[in-house]
Amino acid sequence: DQQVKQNSPSLSVQEGRISILNCDYTNSMFDYFLWYKKYPAEGPTFLISISSIKDKNEDGRFTVFLNKSAKHLSLHIVPSQPGDSAVYFCAAKVSGNTPLVFGKGTRLSVIA
Amino acid sequence: KAGVTQTPRYLIKTRGQQVTLSCSPISGHRSVSWYQQTPGQGLQFLFEYFSETQRNKGNFPGRFSGRQFSNSRSEMNVSTLELGDSALYLCASSRGQGHGETQYFGPGTRLLVL
Repeated sequence: DQQVKQNSPSLSVQEGRISILNCDYTNSMFDYFLWYKKYPAEGPTFLISISSIKDKNEDGRFTVFLNKSAKHLSLHIVPSQPGDSAVYFCAAKVSGNTPLVFGKGTRLSVIA
Repeated sequence: KAGVTQTPRYLIKTRGQQVTLSCSPISGHRSVSWYQQTPGQGLQFLFEYFSETQRNKGNFPGRFSGRQFSNSRSEMNVSTLELGDSALYLCASSRGQGHGETQYFGPGTRLLVL
């Protein structure tokens, strides 16, 4: 049973436009959410996180939105740049010393 | 500050052999988690070690094991390798203090089993 789902395996966006990556979760106990970016042959790089007490967190071009009632979060990248082309993983965890649960990733391609 | 390092970066083994992978966490981090990434499966959690003790365990067979040393460095071992064990193995470190904590990943070890 997949607790964190990224239903779009891939997404193409034009340079300068907004990229929106979506993530759904089923475990209502999750209270901390993260996004990671991964380039080929490298480990995932932490991008941004959000706690369940917030519904939005912003860091430069990256904004994460959390809708707890819908068990949905999204990552917005504005404006998108060719260097943003990578696989993006959504991850979630329950408070305490519990492991991260990852989605299967969405491959973003930003076209110049 | 140096990041998470993993050795070796690439490894080729044959079925039935065993393999040991190594991970050195960021200085000051006491938690090391291991993940397996295969195409189309995302990152699957293997186990987490904190202060030399396994604190969490994923749903993998007993052929997958690990340990952590007093300097927080960790190793994972896979015995009796199968073709399906071909994957990218990632380790991640954190302070290990729980809520709101970010894990930082190493570059991974790519294992190919022939």
